[in-house]
Amino acid sequence: DIQLTQSPSSLSASVGDRVTITCQASQDITNYINWFQHKPGKAPKVLIYDASTLEAGVPSRFSGGGSGTHFTLSISSLQPDDIATYYCQQYDNLPPTFGQGTKLEIK
Amino acid sequence: QVQLVESGGGVVQPGKSRRLSCAASGFSLSNFGMHWVRQAPGKGLEWVAVLFYDGDESYADSVKGRFTISRDSSNNTLYLELNSLTLEDTAVYFCAKERQQWLVVGAFDNWGQGTLITVSS
Repeated sequence: DIQLTQSPSSLSASVGDRVTITCQASQDITNYINWFQHKPGKAPKVLIYDASTLEAGVPSRFSGGGSGTHFTLSISSLQPDDIATYYCQQYDNLPPTFGQGTKLEIK
Repeated sequence: QVQLVESGGGVVQPGKSRRLSCAASGFSLSNFGMHWVRQAPGKGLEWVAVLFYDGDESYADSVKGRFTISRDSSNNTLYLELNSLTLEDTAVYFCAKERQQWLVVGAFDNWGQGTLITVSS
């Protein structure tokens, strides 16, 4: 199975800050990666697919980049509503696998 | 609009069984691959099973032989039958939909909110 190493595991930032989360794959996964946001008790929400394509309805402050084995999720200007846990997930090969998550908090 | 709503969670004794449901709306289950993913308390996300659009199934080694994924096209509902439950099966179980019809690669685009199974004596 493909392993995804996500960092940091937690992050505290101020409103308006730029935030970046990274995800490293154990092998080349081209651009087959999702980024999603998960708030407690809610359905996980896909933000980015195919590494850099913004899901419809997702604010443009979210962006994704990378290819091969190194990927990033950035929030250009952190908002209070962005408090959540963020995950990367690969779909280059079944089974789909996930990063360990990044818990984002407001300072 | 796609919606996935899980149900069937609760407290179950070790060794017992439970069936989870995922009611789908806004699309036809028969055209898409559908997955179950779980998250144990304080742990990461773990893929559990997939039902291909053509009816094929695949399972994680941790549940193979104990869990069964299925669907009822007449009411557009996905199921996960959990048998021989152990304490390690305690988790929130999510259903998730593939982005594209007729393609199963694990490219989720919609998730349900999850249902909690607690295995406890």
